[in-house]
Amino acid sequence: SQTIHQWPATLVQPVGSPLSLECTVEGTSNPNLYWYRQAAGRGLQLLFYSVGIGQISSEVPQNLSASRPQDRQFILSSKKLLLSDSGFYLCAWSSLVGPNGELFFGEGSRLTVL
Amino acid sequence: SQQGEEDPQALSIQEGENATMNCSYKTSINNLQWYRQNSGRGLVHLILIRSNEREKHSGRLRVTLDTSKKSSSLLITASRAADTASYFCATDSEYKLSFGAGTTVTVRA
Repeated sequence: SQTIHQWPATLVQPVGSPLSLECTVEGTSNPNLYWYRQAAGRGLQLLFYSVGIGQISSEVPQNLSASRPQDRQFILSSKKLLLSDSGFYLCAWSSLVGPNGELFFGEGSRLTVL
Repeated sequence: SQQGEEDPQALSIQEGENATMNCSYKTSINNLQWYRQNSGRGLVHLILIRSNEREKHSGRLRVTLDTSKKSSSLLITASRAADTASYFCATDSEYKLSFGAGTTVTVRA
């Protein structure tokens, strides 16, 4: 069966510090991978998605970046965090080919920037 | 960009009652999905309805889709305290899903 792991689960970082959130998927090959951000009490904002290794599409221009160094690994990074980067970050995957388009989410990483 | 919008933003009901929430979207879709999120957790897929379907059931869930009005509804029948969560509709575009802001449902025991 497929599983998705995100870490760390909780992170408190000072303004200006770097960020690295990791996401890995097991039990499937060539998944579409996504990073969403959810502000408190709000909906989900798509940040990045990837359809293959090294292929990253950015939805929102900001100081965040994403990388996909391996087929089932997706990393969200920042060189210098801003207060506005605080939020709940969710990684998700979906099948590359399939009729459903269902997303499978990780448990999220809560980032607080102070 | 946010495609779907849920209504109402929040809903409080008594255990055993039905909960209905609506989703409106702007552009043509291939399918519409509903997800559930417990507080502080990831989202869980509930049900998918295709653009050529009008109604779909899954356990206590009933989803309708009206493509002419670009709207969908999610009905939870005989609600339980465990149904307390936020519910999101999501519409597809190529490889991406766009989510609304969600409806927060509180089921009172």
